[in-house]
Amino acid sequence: GESVGLHLPTLSVQEGDNSIINCAYSNSASDYFIWYKQESGKGPQFIIDIRSNMDKRQGQRVTVLLNKTVKHLSLQIAATQPGDSAVYFCAEIPGGGGNKLTFGTGTQLKVEL
Amino acid sequence: DAGITQSPRHKVTETGTPVTLRCHQTENHRYMYWYRQDPGHGLRLIHYSYGVKDTDKGEVSDGYSVSRSKTEDFLLTLESATSSQTSVYFCASRTSGSANTGELFFGEGSRLTVL
Repeated sequence: GESVGLHLPTLSVQEGDNSIINCAYSNSASDYFIWYKQESGKGPQFIIDIRSNMDKRQGQRVTVLLNKTVKHLSLQIAATQPGDSAVYFCAEIPGGGGNKLTFGTGTQLKVEL
Repeated sequence: DAGITQSPRHKVTETGTPVTLRCHQTENHRYMYWYRQDPGHGLRLIHYSYGVKDTDKGEVSDGYSVSRSKTEDFLLTLESATSSQTSVYFCASRTSGSANTGELFFGEGSRLTVL
């Protein structure tokens, strides 16, 4: 079946380094992707999104890259800070729109001081 | 942050008892969602609503029902709770806004334990 999954369950980085969190998707018709951040004990929070007609989108300290050829997207966090420690989820909306987001299983980002 | 609150935040109940979780939002958002979160599964959609009295099933809807009698309230009911429904439940909402926006606003979660 269709799925959205992340490559690694846990990612550890040193404070100040750049972080790269990866996500693969299997539905070639997916045309909209979103990254969420979930801190411990809280609900997920929207970070950034990207549509399939784009390859790259930048926000504040974050960049999302989309490679439709290999059905892969990544979230890059520049100069990772302790406050970035959280679980990161990618999510997709299937092609044609709709109201349902499908979430991946998440990657735990740990920032080491 | 969008004003979205869930109640109760924590509940322990016994197998076979009914449970209702409440989600309340003050943003006049059209769409509301209920997700459950379990280790290794991420967030899975239970039910969602696209307007008052308009609801639809998600991927894990068995054993759950929902109701939306007002824009601001979305109720999730477990008619007869089972241990497999032990989970953290998240409510979310979003505006109709521009097409296909994926920006959901989540509540803080409700932790349910079924003994």
